[in-house]
Amino acid sequence: DIQMTQSPSTLSASVGDRVTITCRASQSVSDWLAWYQHKPGNAPKLLIYKASSLESGVPSRFSGSGSGTEFTLTISSLQPDDFATYYCQQYHTFLYTFGQGTKLEIK
Amino acid sequence: QVQLQESGPGLVKPSETLSLTCTVSAGSITHNYWSWIRQPPGKGLELIGYIYYSGSTNYNPSLTGRVTISVDTSKNQFSLKLTSVTAADTALYYCARIKPEQWLVLDFWGQGTLVTVSS
Repeated sequence: DIQMTQSPSTLSASVGDRVTITCRASQSVSDWLAWYQHKPGNAPKLLIYKASSLESGVPSRFSGSGSGTEFTLTISSLQPDDFATYYCQQYHTFLYTFGQGTKLEIK
Repeated sequence: QVQLQESGPGLVKPSETLSLTCTVSAGSITHNYWSWIRQPPGKGLELIGYIYYSGSTNYNPSLTGRVTISVDTSKNQFSLKLTSVTAADTALYYCARIKPEQWLVLDFWGQGTLVTVSS
């Protein structure tokens, strides 16, 4: 299985901050990488796929980059609605796997 | 937009079978792939498996032999059965749609349903 490791596990930030979350793969996944946002009690929401493609309807303050084994999700200016847990997912293999999550908290 | 809703018992006894159904609304189950994912308490998300509307399936090898995913196109539903459950199967179970033309990207998810395995 391809292991996905996110850092940090928890991130404290303020409204208006620029934040970056990193996701590393145990082997190359090319650009087959997605990012999701999850709030407790809600359905997870697709933000980014193919490492940098923004899902329709997702605000442009979200962006993704990277390829191979290292990827980043950047939120350019945090909004109150952005405080949530973020997961990366590799889908290079049929056995897709997720990172353990990064919880974005209000500072 | 497509909506998914998981349903089924929230409590299952050890060694019994966990059965969940995912109902798809505001969209057709046909010509799409559908997936089950779970998240044990305090742990990460784990693929269970996925199914095409025609019935072809792929399962996580760690669950092969215990898991069956099926589809009922007449009801716009797909289902999960997991046999011989133990406490390790206690988790939040999600169903999701695999994004058309973006293989294995999950574009719509249900809210999840908690299943506890306990006597």
